[in-house]
Amino acid sequence: GAGVSQSPSNKVTEKGKDVELRCDPISGHTALYWYRQRLGQGLEFLIYFQGNSAPDKSGLPSDRFSAERTGESVSTLTIQRTQQEDSAVYLCASSLVGRLNTEAFFGQGTRLTVV
Amino acid sequence: LAKTTQPISMDSYEGQEVNITCSHNNIATNDYITWYQQFPSQGPRFIIQGYKTKVTNEVASLFIPADRKSSTLSLPRVSLSDTAVYYCLAHQAGTALIFGKGTTLSVSS
Repeated sequence: GAGVSQSPSNKVTEKGKDVELRCDPISGHTALYWYRQRLGQGLEFLIYFQGNSAPDKSGLPSDRFSAERTGESVSTLTIQRTQQEDSAVYLCASSLVGRLNTEAFFGQGTRLTVV
Repeated sequence: LAKTTQPISMDSYEGQEVNITCSHNNIATNDYITWYQQFPSQGPRFIIQGYKTKVTNEVASLFIPADRKSSTLSLPRVSLSDTAVYYCLAHQAGTALIFGKGTTLSVSS
């Protein structure tokens, strides 16, 4: 597709359930980022994938959060045993990476509500 | 990772020029300076990027002094539609993009 696609756009889940959020990056983009944005707050970095390198997981808030990426394509962010504080918009972005910095393109996000 | 500091909020009126300054005192040699804009209920959007001196595009200008310890995003003749959060980042190619709290710009008529 032309841009970064995230699904679902909205997800309501019960506390304690597991959820999976999907991100389809722009074709050919080797870098992929996940962020969490709570209402009225800034973007909180979660995880960064770059090609075949080990992902930078330094932003994952707890072991309930994990993410995978298949090659240089789709990524899935999984939240296990969801808590109410996990309610937020989860944003995915992708970019080319080269010798010069290039811009990151963001998806529209998945709004997660834990009830 | 260079920490950036920018004002929490700014107010302006339509037609004015707005300058948002970002401080990045511990910027590294390989760091680039990038600004993103975020509207409510949308993901951030790239505005401009630079390494040193001045960069201009159809949306904004970016001024970076020789010591690179700060940068200024300049938005000419703002309109109501420029009301958004603006993020300044200092980062290297091939590393995660870390966003701060950003500057909330409010433009009034």
